[in-house]
Amino acid sequence: GAVVSQHPSWVICKSGTSVKIECRSLDFQATTMFWYRQFPKQSLMLMATSNEGSKATYEQGVEKDKFLINHASLTLSTLTVTSAHPEDSSFYICSASRSGGTGELFFGEGSRLTVL
Amino acid sequence: AQSVTQLGSHVSVSEGALVLLRCNYSSSVPPYLFWYVQYPNQGLQLLLKYTSAATLVKGINGFEAEFKKSETSFHLTKPSAHMSDAAEYFCAVSEASGTYKYIFGTGTRLKVLA
Repeated sequence: GAVVSQHPSWVICKSGTSVKIECRSLDFQATTMFWYRQFPKQSLMLMATSNEGSKATYEQGVEKDKFLINHASLTLSTLTVTSAHPEDSSFYICSASRSGGTGELFFGEGSRLTVL
Repeated sequence: AQSVTQLGSHVSVSEGALVLLRCNYSSSVPPYLFWYVQYPNQGLQLLLKYTSAATLVKGINGFEAEFKKSETSFHLTKPSAHMSDAAEYFCAVSEASGTYKYIFGTGTRLKVLA
């Protein structure tokens, strides 16, 4: 149990377009979901925390208008990279916490975005 | 504020040798500590976690880690390395209050030599 799935795994887009990445908890209800960004050979940097039905909380330095996060249900959160530029190319990973959990997060497989 | 330091961005061991990946943490409150493994272009898989129970934690794939409060350490070990252990390993800390907000270390890339 406790599977988190991201879609798409890979996406290539043109500069100026928007891209949506989905994060789903497949077999549990996720009270909180987190979005991370990972640059090549670096660690994960937390971008934002989202709770179902409320606005996401963004980390310092993360542009909320650039990275739109929606957490419309207990099993789905989406990250939309708006007006993407080459510097937005990165590996994006989501994670989810389970109601009544013991502090453990469950991670998606990641989504690699390449902006041309 | 919490922080995690992983000593050694790259570690190489021979197949069958002991694996030791170091992690030191800083936390003003009781921590939860985690080790995750990441294979190329994949998400993170939990190896093991410390959540204030037993200080010696056993995880998957033969890995274990010991929480040492006096040394603020949570080093990851495996008695005998296997080729399939080659990956990136991340140590993470979060508050024991269950905020789920993880702070990750910079990662250690483990290379296993035949």
